[in-house]
Amino acid sequence: RKEVEQDPGPFNVPEGATVAFNCTYSNSASQSFFWYRQDCRKEPKLLMSVYSSGNEDGRFTAQLNRASQYISLLIRDSKLSDSATYLCVVNIGRNTGFQKLVFGTGTRLLVSP
Amino acid sequence: DAGVTQSPTHLIKTRGQQVTLRCSPKSGHDTVSWYQQALGQGPQFIFQYYEEEERQRGNFPDRFSGHQFPNYSSELNVNALLLGDSALYLCASSDTPGRSQETQYFGPGTRLLVL
Repeated sequence: RKEVEQDPGPFNVPEGATVAFNCTYSNSASQSFFWYRQDCRKEPKLLMSVYSSGNEDGRFTAQLNRASQYISLLIRDSKLSDSATYLCVVNIGRNTGFQKLVFGTGTRLLVSP
Repeated sequence: DAGVTQSPTHLIKTRGQQVTLRCSPKSGHDTVSWYQQALGQGPQFIFQYYEEEERQRGNFPDRFSGHQFPNYSSELNVNALLLGDSALYLCASSDTPGRSQETQYFGPGTRLLVL
C-alpha cells in the first residue's frame, strides 16, 4: 500500500465549479500535513498546511481527519488559473524537528472556460 | 529575496556515468532536502542535510550521495547512472529544524535524462 494515496484524475470542471480532492495516508505517526500545487514542468509550491480544526484560505479549504487518516482539499469558484496538479503531502519525520515529506502522486485538475 | 536555485537546468548523460547536481538554498535557510520526481509521480525523498551532515535518508541506494557546504549549499551525486535515474531532481530548503514551521521551498529542479 502506498504511504499517501490520491486519485490521479484528471478532474475536468467548468469555471466556477466546486471541486474536492481526497487523500489517505497510512502512517498513523504522521506529524503534519500539506497540500502543494505543481504546475506543468514547474516545481511544487506550498498551497496550504492542513490542521485537524480545518483551515481556509480564500477559495481553498483543507481538512484533516486523523482518526480516518484522511485529508481533503476543497476549491470553490474554480478559476482557469487553478489548473494544475495538487499534491497531498505528509510529514513522517519523527519528533526530531526534521521534516521528511512523503508525496502522493498528485491529482490533476483541468478547469475549462 | 533569492529563492532556491539549482544547476544545471537540464542534463543528458549515458548509462554508467556519474552526475553532480547543485543547489543553493533560499536566503536564511540552512536545511536542504533532495527529491527525485519521475514522470507522472510525486517527488520521492532522497535525503536531507543540516549542519553539513546527512540527517535523514529515503529508500535510495548508495549510488546516491550528497554533501552540504559551510555556506549551506548542497550537491547531489549519482554514480553508475541507470536509465531509471532519468527524472526531475528537486532541491528544497527550509529553516533550522524546530525554529519555525519549516515550510520547504522548492527550486526549479534539474531534468536529468540518462541514455
